[in-house]
Amino acid sequence: EAGVAQSPRYKIIEKRQSVAFWCNPISGHATLYWYQQILGQGPKLLIQFQNNGVVDDSQLPKDRFSAERLKGVDSTLKIQPAKLEDSAVYLCASSLGAHASSYNEQFFGPGTRLTVL
Amino acid sequence: SQKIEQNSEALNIQEGKTATLTCNYTNYSPAYLQWYRQDPGRGPVFLLLIRENEKEKRKERLKVTFDTTLKQSLFHITASQPADSATYLCALGPPKAGNTPLVFGKGTRLSVIA
Repeated sequence: EAGVAQSPRYKIIEKRQSVAFWCNPISGHATLYWYQQILGQGPKLLIQFQNNGVVDDSQLPKDRFSAERLKGVDSTLKIQPAKLEDSAVYLCASSLGAHASSYNEQFFGPGTRLTVL
Repeated sequence: SQKIEQNSEALNIQEGKTATLTCNYTNYSPAYLQWYRQDPGRGPVFLLLIRENEKEKRKERLKVTFDTTLKQSLFHITASQPADSATYLCALGPPKAGNTPLVFGKGTRLSVIA
């Protein structure tokens, strides 16, 4: 079974530039998550999709971050404009179930390491 | 709001010994708790889930306990090996009938020395 795919693996940009990350979840998984993981911290949820609808985006800085999941499969996360504090690893995960209360494990991709200079 | 603490940033143990990692939480009653392993440069990998009505769960050399009175989970690796060296993350599930997302702790970096 193919895992969660993410690209690019690494990205270096200057502050105020834009960047986009792409995620392809495991086939058949209804729920897709984007996390931000700052060095030395645990993953922090940015946004959760169920199929192509948003379930939770309470921690997404909406003035600069946006995400979409067209057709309920692939997803993109965009930052515009980037700030120095956005330097982190952006992890995409997927799970079979509709939401966290369904006890489903999450399958994570390898992440995209973003450096903002 | 809920708070989750993994009270060791790093833990060094000798090969063959049992590693015990701790996860404490406050202001919360999760329906379950999960443990993940994360290697450098990779995403977390799911290891075990334990529900609020379960005291203990085992999988091969791994054992997890869940004490809802103490608000604590312990994660044990018996007969530890250098290959067990990684960061281990605990994550709180939502409360029963809740729909809040998983909340991850900062993780404990385990080093098993040969």
